Amino acid sequence: QVQLQQSGPGLVKPSQTLSLTCAISGDSVSSNSAAWNWIRQSPSRGLEWLGRTYYRSKWYNDYALSVKSRLTINPDTSKNQFSLQLNSVTPEDTAVYYCTRDAVAASFFDYWGQGTLVTVSS
Amino acid sequence: EIVMTQSPATLSVSPGERATLSCRASQSVSSSLAWYQQKPGQAPRLLIYGASTRATGIPARFSGSGSGTEFTLTISSLQSEDFAVYYCQQYNSWPPWTFGQGTKVEIK
Repeated sequence: QVQLQQSGPGLVKPSQTLSLTCAISGDSVSSNSAAWNWIRQSPSRGLEWLGRTYYRSKWYNDYALSVKSRLTINPDTSKNQFSLQLNSVTPEDTAVYYCTRDAVAASFFDYWGQGTLVTVSS
Repeated sequence: EIVMTQSPATLSVSPGERATLSCRASQSVSSSLAWYQQKPGQAPRLLIYGASTRATGIPARFSGSGSGTEFTLTISSLQSEDFAVYYCQQYNSWPPWTFGQGTKVEIK
């Protein structure tokens, strides 16, 4: 049974960096078939796919154009987890953030973390 | 970017009745369409992928159909645990993968 456990702060100041971590159990971040994603949800933007990391003999990342200049997703093989860093946040980045697994890199999401409400406010 | 439009926004249904939810894509997504269920305070749960394949553990009362730009999620006989918000998601055209705005299924 795959489980994704998210951690990170719920409050970030404007212009600072939003950092979240997703710990994986029951699968490997280095899987040659899965991809590991971040998705956020807000009343104004709905569900929004942000980006992913995956391993196919080497590491790859894909990012949504809307956040590409500010977003970094990194795997951590020693801890079997992956992280999100979103720079220069504004109140528009206030949302519930989810980490997800895409089992076969087909880009639908079969396992989700519990979600983290991140509020951007001074 | 492909825009996914769901209708209706809210569907009022009595327990035991059939519910039919629609999802339309702004351009063809072939059969690369997934459906999710979300209950308050929870993460979305995958119901259907490939437009019509039920995910592991999903009851047979949930069925999906369609291809191209028109898709349907049918819940054959609504149970109390089925009242929730349902989202469609296309994964044919990237970037990015996109979701519909959701249909809330409420008790009539």
